[in-house]
Amino acid sequence: DAGVTQSPTHLIKTRGQQVTLRCSPKSGHDTVSWYQQALGQGPQFIFQYYEEEERQRGNFPDRFSGHQFPNYSSELNVNALLLGDSALYLCASSLSHENQPQHFGDGTRLSIL
Amino acid sequence: AQSVTQLDSHVSVSEGTPVLLRCNYSSSYSPSLFWYVQHPNKGLQLLLKYTSAATLVKGINGFEAEFKKSETSFHLTKPSAHMSDAAEYFCVVVDGGGTYKYIFGTGTRLKVLA
Repeated sequence: DAGVTQSPTHLIKTRGQQVTLRCSPKSGHDTVSWYQQALGQGPQFIFQYYEEEERQRGNFPDRFSGHQFPNYSSELNVNALLLGDSALYLCASSLSHENQPQHFGDGTRLSIL
Repeated sequence: AQSVTQLDSHVSVSEGTPVLLRCNYSSSYSPSLFWYVQHPNKGLQLLLKYTSAATLVKGINGFEAEFKKSETSFHLTKPSAHMSDAAEYFCVVVDGGGTYKYIFGTGTRLKVLA
């Protein structure tokens, strides 16, 4: 049973560019959440998708947007990249109930030059 | 607003000795609480969860945690540390009341000495 898979594993971009990160949830899960983890920090919640809609959002600017597809997979898009966007981006999937634990992928390491 | 505080940024123990990683939370509702572990350059692995059932929660790899509402604490323990336990540990709170986002602590780095 495959867990949460993310692609790519590493990515290098320059300031001002745009990036798309992808996530496939664990089999049977219908909810996808995205987190940003800066070096030496705990993950910060970006947003959560359920039924192809953004259900909740953290304190991130509109440059961060997402999408969920009918097969529950998800994308995170970041526009106008800044140096401060360099981080590990984690995707987590779960069942829709708020008490269900989230299962995390290994993340995408994004470096901005 | 919900929050979580991990009281130690670094903890060092000798192999075979007990582990205690401390976590205090603040929540408006009856919270769900989790502990996750992160090994270098990896995602997070669920160790255990508390969701208003038994206050003593057993997890994987010999870890357990006790929910103490009076102390607003959810400390993680293990009777005997193993070298493979060296990693970063995160305490997480999720409010009830329809909030879905995880609030992470700042993490505790556990070092296990031979």
